[in-house]
Amino acid sequence: EVQLVESGGGLVQPGGSLRLSCAASGFTFSSYDMHWVRQTTGKGLEWVSTIGTAGDTYYPGSVKGRFTISRENAKNSLYLQMNSLRAEDTAVFFCAAGPRRGGLAFWGQGTLVTVSS
Amino acid sequence: DIQMTQSPSSLSASVGDRVTITCRASQSISTYLHWYQQKPGKAPKLLIYAASGLQSGVPSRFSGSGSGTDFTLTISSLQPEDFATYYCQQSYSTPPTFGGGTKVEIK
Repeated sequence: EVQLVESGGGLVQPGGSLRLSCAASGFTFSSYDMHWVRQTTGKGLEWVSTIGTAGDTYYPGSVKGRFTISRENAKNSLYLQMNSLRAEDTAVFFCAAGPRRGGLAFWGQGTLVTVSS
Repeated sequence: DIQMTQSPSSLSASVGDRVTITCRASQSISTYLHWYQQKPGKAPKLLIYAASGLQSGVPSRFSGSGSGTDFTLTISSLQPEDFATYYCQQSYSTPPTFGGGTKVEIK
């Protein structure tokens, strides 16, 4: 059974940092592009970052320079280091797996990040 | 960035109804278009990939069509478990972008 389990969310002050983790099982992690997607009530679903199987990374302008995606294939794990957090980063963060130019077939249950003083 | 516009934003339908949701891209995306279903408190679930491919395990009452800028998700006979929010997503160019969602409610 495919499982993606996120952890590391919580309450953080503006300007603070947080590191999200995603533990994968049930599929060949190293063969999949991995992604972070966030969801807010107001802005819906928003892509946050992608890391390819070769370690290539992609970010939208809204998080570039503040967020860093990484993966550790030996541990079947995906990470998102988030720095300089802002109130508008408040969202449920999902990790997902799928081809960079395809549909995202596997999703975690999400972890809530709240940025507030 | 490519904008994805879904319509309607919500609809009311009865069990057994045929339901159609549309998604329009702000520029041509070939068939790099995918559909997801999301229920409250859950992650999105991939239903259709590459505009018309049925994801493994998804019931055949779900189908997708279209190419270029206009796409359609059809549920041929709405079932009680289909009441949810549906999203389209393009992966033609970076950043991948999602539509605003269509909430399917019980009539």
